[in-house]
Amino acid sequence: EADIYQTPRYLVIGTGKKITLECSQTMGHDKMYWYQQDPGMELHLIHYSYGVNSTEKGDLSSESTVSRIRTEHFPLTLESARPSHTSQYLCASSEYLSSATGVSYGYTFGSGTRLTVV
Amino acid sequence: RKEVEQDPGPFNVPEGATVAFNCTYSNSASQSFFWYRQDCRKEPKLLMSVYSSGNEDGRFTAQLNRASQYISLLIRDSKLSDSATYLCVVNSGGGGADGLTFGKGTHLIIQP
Repeated sequence: EADIYQTPRYLVIGTGKKITLECSQTMGHDKMYWYQQDPGMELHLIHYSYGVNSTEKGDLSSESTVSRIRTEHFPLTLESARPSHTSQYLCASSEYLSSATGVSYGYTFGSGTRLTVV
Repeated sequence: RKEVEQDPGPFNVPEGATVAFNCTYSNSASQSFFWYRQDCRKEPKLLMSVYSSGNEDGRFTAQLNRASQYISLLIRDSKLSDSATYLCVVNSGGGGADGLTFGKGTHLIIQP
């Protein structure tokens, strides 16, 4: 039923490893987002994209990078994982509307990747 | 003032009761408002959009007060399954991410 998919669902990895979290959506949405959320805490926007070849940093500084080569795919990469990167990473997408209208659609979230760096 | 503010709770409410909580927002240019629900260790899911005239979806009623810059969510005849964190979400009104700002959430616990 989900139209936005994240893999892996859980990942436990050692310090210093390079990891890529995958996010794909089948809704044809232009806008995609990555959020970081610790248990019981608020969502923090770390990256977003308006469309192919567009990537922007979010409100929370992050050592991760993203790419948007295809509309449906928005992977997040950590070059060297550290224990401080342990968190839940949520991907979301939405239809894009011109910022001039001031109107937004709601976001659809993936199920998240729970990352533990040991 | 934070962009979106919510009382974090927790709100402990007996099953069957009516519960309401508000959320204030700072950007008077905001035009899109939503309530999301997030269960423990799950992703947020859209509960309902909030329209200027107010709207209802079953036991849930959402209201918008532009003059005072707040939105509200009312849950009638609460069920145990309503226990969750409710996120108030407001759009930025353009620029930057041109996207949504999420509140920290209000934690609701329905007790049997």
